Amino acid sequence: DAGITQSPRHKVTETGTPVTLRCHQTENHRYMYWYRQDPGHGLRLIHYSYGVKDTDKGEVSDGYSVSRSKTEDFLLTLESATSSQTSVYFCAIRRDRGYNEQFFGPGTRLTVL
Amino acid sequence: KQEVTQIPAALSVPEGENLVLNCSFTDSAIYNLQWFRQDPGKGLTSLLLIQSSQREQTSGRLNASLDKSSGRSTLYIAASQPGDSATYLCAVDSGNTPLVFGKGTRLSVIA
Repeated sequence: DAGITQSPRHKVTETGTPVTLRCHQTENHRYMYWYRQDPGHGLRLIHYSYGVKDTDKGEVSDGYSVSRSKTEDFLLTLESATSSQTSVYFCAIRRDRGYNEQFFGPGTRLTVL
Repeated sequence: KQEVTQIPAALSVPEGENLVLNCSFTDSAIYNLQWFRQDPGKGLTSLLLIQSSQREQTSGRLNASLDKSSGRSTLYIAASQPGDSATYLCAVDSGNTPLVFGKGTRLSVIA
């Protein structure tokens, strides 16, 4: 699992509230990713990071922001959660060494009421 | 823009059968290709990574092949078991860009 943890694992919140999801890795790889997965849409990239303070948008970045102040942590923030952001969120890392294999965290199930 | 397609979207086979899952991609300029497995309600588990210079990669009953020129990869599962039931996704690495994923093939192995 490449030492990836996500917190919280489950969260229920109300529309309009801010939410922050955390991804933590123990191997200090440069690249980290946030995806969401929804039935019928597959896996979609939200944001990614290629180093401390270096981030870029994915295909579904509207309504989300990210921060990476330390190599090991990548935070995803929903500034004002909406029901359309109910989803399962996965964090991933891509190894810097070897063949750049990508590994995923266990996921966070977010429900916005 | 790289596009990855997996056909069929779902597949049901009897236990013990050998099977092949397909993955096709539109741009042959790839760095590597990775196969993942996802069980219901779980995260993605990396199964195999095949580099662009390789033709195939094996792990246990799994064998992944890669034909860059035709833009195709296959995942061969030998002697399928009910525990192999899951969704299988392939993803293409084109270098310094995020992986591009297919939508997956949902496999059911019937005992």
